[in-house]
Amino acid sequence: NAGVTQTPKFQVLKTGQSMTLQCAQDMNHEYMSWYRQDPGMGLRLIHYSVGAGITDQGEVPNGYNVSRSTTEDFPLRLLSAAPSQTSVYFCASSYAGSGNSPLHFGNGTRLTVT
Amino acid sequence: RKEVEQDPGPFNVPEGATVAFNCTYSNSASQSFFWYRQDCRKEPKLLMSVYSSGNEDGRFTAQLNRASQYISLLIRDSKLSDSATYLCVVTNRDDKIIFGKGTRLHILP
Repeated sequence: NAGVTQTPKFQVLKTGQSMTLQCAQDMNHEYMSWYRQDPGMGLRLIHYSVGAGITDQGEVPNGYNVSRSTTEDFPLRLLSAAPSQTSVYFCASSYAGSGNSPLHFGNGTRLTVT
Repeated sequence: RKEVEQDPGPFNVPEGATVAFNCTYSNSASQSFFWYRQDCRKEPKLLMSVYSSGNEDGRFTAQLNRASQYISLLIRDSKLSDSATYLCVVTNRDDKIIFGKGTRLHILP
């Protein structure tokens, strides 16, 4: 079972460049989310989706866009990268956001913006 | 104030000791509660769910106090392999799943 697959694993961007972090899950999970993790800050929710066609903002959405055109995929777009977006990004999925459904995480993407 | 608060530690405890972590949450409408474990440079993984009645899984016991908005995790007979960061997680009715900053645990041989 692949579970949650994130690509790329590592990325270096220059300030102002754009890129898309890919996330795919093969568990037919309705709920998907993106977090960033910075030293001393824990995981902070960027955006989340409770199903195809539905997205919503998390704790730190500025500078990021998402879309959910299929149940399987939930890409995260950085339109104009900034050094403050240097972080480790985790994608996660679960059967449902509310209720007692645990999150399954991808391996993470380590992004550096210079 | 962050929605989920944890003592960041680190907790340095000898092998075999009992260690307790606490977590408080600010949203009284929060619905579900979990403890996750994260090893260095790895993704978080579910340790256990937390139920109102309290629950136990081997050496691990989780408690929830809804009135005080407080969650705890107790680890008995700690092992070297328990060294990790422990994350308190809360799910709200708006489907936001919020993580605490985590508590680092070092088990000393």
